[in-house]
Amino acid sequence: DVKVTQSSRYLVKRTGEKVFLECVQDMDHENMFWYRQDPGLGLRLIYFSYDVKMKEKGDIPEGYSVSREKKERFSLILESASTNQTSMYLCASRLNYGYTFGSGTRLTVV
Amino acid sequence: DQQVKQNSPSLSVQEGRISILNCDYTNSMFDYFLWYKKYPAEGPTFLISISSIKDKNEDGRFTVFLNKSAKHLSLHIVPSQPGDSAVYFCAAYMEYGNKLVFGAGTILRVKS
Repeated sequence: DVKVTQSSRYLVKRTGEKVFLECVQDMDHENMFWYRQDPGLGLRLIYFSYDVKMKEKGDIPEGYSVSREKKERFSLILESASTNQTSMYLCASRLNYGYTFGSGTRLTVV
Repeated sequence: DQQVKQNSPSLSVQEGRISILNCDYTNSMFDYFLWYKKYPAEGPTFLISISSIKDKNEDGRFTVFLNKSAKHLSLHIVPSQPGDSAVYFCAAYMEYGNKLVFGAGTILRVKS
């Protein structure tokens, strides 16, 4: 089974802080994704990557950046955290159309 | 522009009865449709999928129906069990574009 691991389950950060969310997958998948989940809005795509050092903007990239230095690791960066970035963040990796998600990071920005 | 819509925010069903979750989409170019189940504080887990060239796919208690002319799909759970209580997300995948688009989710509560 593919395993997608997100380093933190819960995070509390202050407004203006730079925040790093880490994600690691163990199945050598080329495609990795970052989503955020908000009530009533479902899962919205922030960024994705189809190869090392390659990245593409999703539907809501503003305020975020990403890094993919190694195939197995995809990091989401909040350059200057704001309260409207309080959310559940979900990382996923993909083979064909099958997506596997991590357990999520619940980020609260105060 | 919401390409995948789940118009029912929640559904409550008695244990043993059928649960029907609905989903509508606007883009006829989607290649696959998927249902994911999500418990609180966990990531979504894949439940069942259907290719755009099929109209039905069944896996145990779960059946997905696709009506392409109506751009509508539904997930049937029979019989419903209390452990099925979760948020269900409908999602659509298009190979061109490399993206999975999600609906807003439906909270299913199965009462014992």
